[in-house]
Amino acid sequence: NAGVMQNPRHLVRRRGQEARLRCSPMKGHSHVYWYRQLPEEGLKFMVYLQKENIIDESGMPKERFSAEFPKEGPSILRIQQVVRGDSAAYFCASSPPGAGAMNTEAFFGQGTRLTVV
Amino acid sequence: AQSVAQPEDQVNVAEGNPLTVKCTYSVSGNPYLFWYVQYPNRGLQFLLKYITGDNLVKGSYGFEAEFNKSQTSFHLKKPSALVSDSALYFCAVRDIGAGTASKLTFGTGTRLQVTL
Repeated sequence: NAGVMQNPRHLVRRRGQEARLRCSPMKGHSHVYWYRQLPEEGLKFMVYLQKENIIDESGMPKERFSAEFPKEGPSILRIQQVVRGDSAAYFCASSPPGAGAMNTEAFFGQGTRLTVV
Repeated sequence: AQSVAQPEDQVNVAEGNPLTVKCTYSVSGNPYLFWYVQYPNRGLQFLLKYITGDNLVKGSYGFEAEFNKSQTSFHLKKPSALVSDSALYFCAVRDIGAGTASKLTFGTGTRLQVTL
């Protein structure tokens, strides 16, 4: 089992460009979480998705940020018109479906470090 | 709303001494509790969890944590610290009452520094 795969590991974007971050959950997992970590800070919840559904997006900025988890393929976190303040490490985590999602630990990817120049 | 507090930004311990990293939580119902560790430029690694049963939970690398419902705490402990334990530690909670819609909420993290 390859674990949670995030790519790219490092991403550099100029202000105003778009950033696309990808997350492939562990095999058999259908729940995906995205978190943002600013330097020297903790993890901030952004969005919780199940296949084709957004369950909780209470941590997502109202503008420029969107996330999806299609029936096929990885989950995508998309940031439009990036600004310097978007520079951070973005982590994806996954957990199995159903009741197992509650008492099973989430497994994290290595993260994507976004730098906006 | 659920929340986690880690009151110490940093904990300093000498190698061989016991360590404690504090965590308190707030949920409307019953909690599932987790500890993760993060090494520099890496993702989070799972250490241990409390779901139900024995209040003392043992996890990876000799770590353990004690669930205290009355104090709403889940402190991480290790009897004898190693320099290699130096890392960033995160406590997390999930509210059982919210069902499968419940997200995992993290504390702000505690940096553990173990010195010779």
